[in-house]
Amino acid sequence: GAVVSQHPSRVICKSGTSVKIECRSLDFQATTMFWYRQFPKQSLMLMATSNEGSKATYEQGVEKDKFLINHASLTLSTLTVTSAHPEDSSFYICSATFERGYTFGSGTRLTVV
Amino acid sequence: GNSVTQMEGPVTLSEEAFLTINCTYTATGYPSLFWYVQYPGEGLQLLLKATKADDKGSNKGFEATYRKETTSFHLEKGSVQVSDSAVYFCALTTSGTYKYIFGTGTRLKVLA
Repeated sequence: GAVVSQHPSRVICKSGTSVKIECRSLDFQATTMFWYRQFPKQSLMLMATSNEGSKATYEQGVEKDKFLINHASLTLSTLTVTSAHPEDSSFYICSATFERGYTFGSGTRLTVV
Repeated sequence: GNSVTQMEGPVTLSEEAFLTINCTYTATGYPSLFWYVQYPGEGLQLLLKATKADDKGSNKGFEATYRKETTSFHLEKGSVQVSDSAVYFCALTTSGTYKYIFGTGTRLKVLA
């Protein structure tokens, strides 16, 4: 139980385009989801906390207009990287809380060319 | 601020070798400490955790002891297998939050 499905696992996009990453809880309701990213040789860093039905809370230094987070239902949160640039190339991973703990998606490797 | 430092990889070992992956932390208060593992193509999975000083977390032959005096939580396994090849992340949370602070991850490769 407590599985989070994240799609796509890999995406390559052109500079200037937008990319949407989905994170779906399959067998539980996730009132809170978190989005992390990891640059090469660096730690996984929390980007934002997403609460169902309300605006996401962004960590310091994360541009909310660039990284749009939508958590419109109890089973789905999306991260849209708008007007992507090569420096946005990174590994993005979501996670969600459930009553007994915390679970992660499998991550998305974004490459912007 | 809070931070986690873990040894850089990759770490390459032969099957049945002893494994140590070092992890040290900086935190205010009394953090909980975790090791997560990520197998290829999968999400992070909780491997073990410890919530207070001197606690030992263990799972699947892996162990780590919460050492407050040295602010460390080193991961050990006595005899690694090829199936242990993965990326291992050390992490902490501070009380009352689900906001994880992660280390950079250490890739382990075990050769048959």
